[in-house]
Amino acid sequence: DAGVIQSPRHEVTEMGQEVTLRCKPISGHNSLFWYRQTMMRGLELLIYFNNNVPIDDSGMPEDRFSAKMPNASFSTLKIQPSEPRDSAVYFCASSLAHGSRGSYGYTFGSGTRLTVV
Amino acid sequence: DQQVKQNSPSLSVQEGRISILNCDYTNSMFDYFLWYKKYPAEGPTFLISISSIKDKNEDGRFTVFLNKSAKHLSLHIVPSQPGDSAVYFCAASGRLVRGSQGNLIFGKGTKLSVKP
Repeated sequence: DAGVIQSPRHEVTEMGQEVTLRCKPISGHNSLFWYRQTMMRGLELLIYFNNNVPIDDSGMPEDRFSAKMPNASFSTLKIQPSEPRDSAVYFCASSLAHGSRGSYGYTFGSGTRLTVV
Repeated sequence: DQQVKQNSPSLSVQEGRISILNCDYTNSMFDYFLWYKKYPAEGPTFLISISSIKDKNEDGRFTVFLNKSAKHLSLHIVPSQPGDSAVYFCAASGRLVRGSQGNLIFGKGTKLSVKP
């Protein structure tokens, strides 16, 4: 398996533009998580899905952020409009079961580094 | 309020010596703890875990110790190698932790630098 695949790896955009981040989870995993990493706040959970259904989006910072999971193999995180303070690394992770705590926990993608200028 | 705390943002150690990374948690309902390692430009990868029924788990050069009464865990790396230089995240979970749905809650990370 290729692991969790995120695209793009880097995104530079101007303030006010729409940004879409993409994630392909590991085949067979039924939970998907979007995290944001910043120096100040570390790894923050933004939203997670179980069986393609959003379970908890309380970590989504504002209405400018939205996430979808139209099927088991694809998810998007959209920011519209983007602002400079959204600049961060965004990670997608997947796991086999809801709240899985197996030996391997979550599998993370390589992240998307977003810069909003 | 942070439930998982890594109070040292960075740690520098000489090659061959022991690295000790610390993590504190506030919720006694956590019952499973993990350490993740993150290299620049990569996602975090699982390193080692421990269940609350144990107080020690060892995997090669890596050992995690859990002190439930102190709500403290630590990761020991012996001997440290330059390739261990990375950011280490502590994470905790507990199915009975309110609001978490059993998901992992991460600390902010500690950047370890192992100098040759």
